[in-house]
Amino acid sequence: NAGVTQTPKFQVLKTGQSMTLQCAQDMNHEYMSWYRQDPGMGLRLIHYSVGAGITDQGEVPNGYNVSRSTTEDFPLRLLSAAPSQTSVYFCASSYRELRGGYTFGSGTRLTVV
Amino acid sequence: AQKITQTQPGMFVQEKEAVTLDCTYDTSDPSYGLFWYKQPSSGEMIFLIYQGSYDQQNATEGRYSLNFQKARKSANLVISASQLGDSAMYFCAMRDRSGGGADGLTFGKGTHLIIQP
Repeated sequence: NAGVTQTPKFQVLKTGQSMTLQCAQDMNHEYMSWYRQDPGMGLRLIHYSVGAGITDQGEVPNGYNVSRSTTEDFPLRLLSAAPSQTSVYFCASSYRELRGGYTFGSGTRLTVV
Repeated sequence: AQKITQTQPGMFVQEKEAVTLDCTYDTSDPSYGLFWYKQPSSGEMIFLIYQGSYDQQNATEGRYSLNFQKARKSANLVISASQLGDSAMYFCAMRDRSGGGADGLTFGKGTHLIIQP
């Protein structure tokens, strides 16, 4: 099993550009979520989904959109990139029963110049 | 108030010693889950252990155990017989639905653990 696959691994954007970070899981997990990790801040929740067609905002949703049209995919869209969005982005998924933990992707390192 | 507090930014421990990483949490939700993750220098997030708020016993997974003190809102990670490969950042995290309800994780700021030979 591939687990959680994130693409791309690295990306440089210019201020104002838009892009989509891809996230796919093959474990039939109901829950999926996006986080950003900044130095000294731990990981912060951006958006999450409890199933196909259902999404909601986390702690830091501004500047990001998500959709969940299938169980497997949960893309994160940056509408108009800003230098403050320079970060490492992680996608994670889990079963509704949490005992197995959330499985994380390998991350996307995004730089906005 | 912070939902997850990790008070040890960094720790140095001698190899083979036991390590306790502190984590306190704050929630009004009676049903919550607590997690510990390891992040080595390579950057991936590795799930270590889970404790549910209604679990009667402390969780254990190999060399990892969770010292869960519900009344004190404490969920410390204990690593027995530390190894050089345990050197990493360690994050405590919680899933609860207080304060607006979120089905993602809230993380602490982490503890950087360095195991010395």
